[in-house]
Amino acid sequence: DGGITQSPKYLFRKEGQNVTLSCEQNLNHDAMYWYRQDPGQGLRLIYYSQIVNDFQKGDIAEGYSVSREKKESFPLTVTSAQKNPTAFYLCASSIGIHRETQYFGPGTRLLVL
Amino acid sequence: AQTVTQSQPEMSVQEAETVTLSCTYDTSESDYYLFWYKQPPSRQMILVIRQEAYKQQNATENRFSVNFQKAAKSFSLKISDSQLGDAAMYFCAYRNTSGTYKYIFGTGTRLKVLA
Repeated sequence: DGGITQSPKYLFRKEGQNVTLSCEQNLNHDAMYWYRQDPGQGLRLIYYSQIVNDFQKGDIAEGYSVSREKKESFPLTVTSAQKNPTAFYLCASSIGIHRETQYFGPGTRLLVL
Repeated sequence: AQTVTQSQPEMSVQEAETVTLSCTYDTSESDYYLFWYKQPPSRQMILVIRQEAYKQQNATENRFSVNFQKAAKSFSLKISDSQLGDAAMYFCAYRNTSGTYKYIFGTGTRLKVLA
């Protein structure tokens, strides 16, 4: 079945620690995105990637980093510089950056210990 | 900058009845896309319906339809014959057709379906 997978479902971070959230898709989509969701708010864009080896900052990129070494994968690292990382993180993809419909993964809940 | 507003934090509907969720947006663009996404308790975002701004005809997907009023910058979602499985958060979203390709989301409306 084609789709987007995110792992882990829950992730715990200690103070000062970097953690990496995984996002994989087998839809052959070129574009991938990372969003953060906080209670009572809509989704906010962290980073997006149009093609392999290229990515752009979104609205709230500070404290996060990404890589796009493979078309299928777009991991997000939450660094120690992100002072308030507790949130729900959603990965999405679309056929191309110009194609308007994004499809979402099941999300990762990040909690700080 | 574009904005999306959902003024109803929570709505309730009786099973089999009809409910309308409101969304307004602000943009200076003439061409764009609008979406309604559903987020059930599993928290995975599911596309419900989409509308291209250049199309005057309102989009319809089975029991879901929209009322797109471009001049008023309004994009409401109507759910007919509501089912228990429709209970979820519903997000309205906007996207340009050029320039930055990000979605802009509203804050969501929680829909409760009463048996």
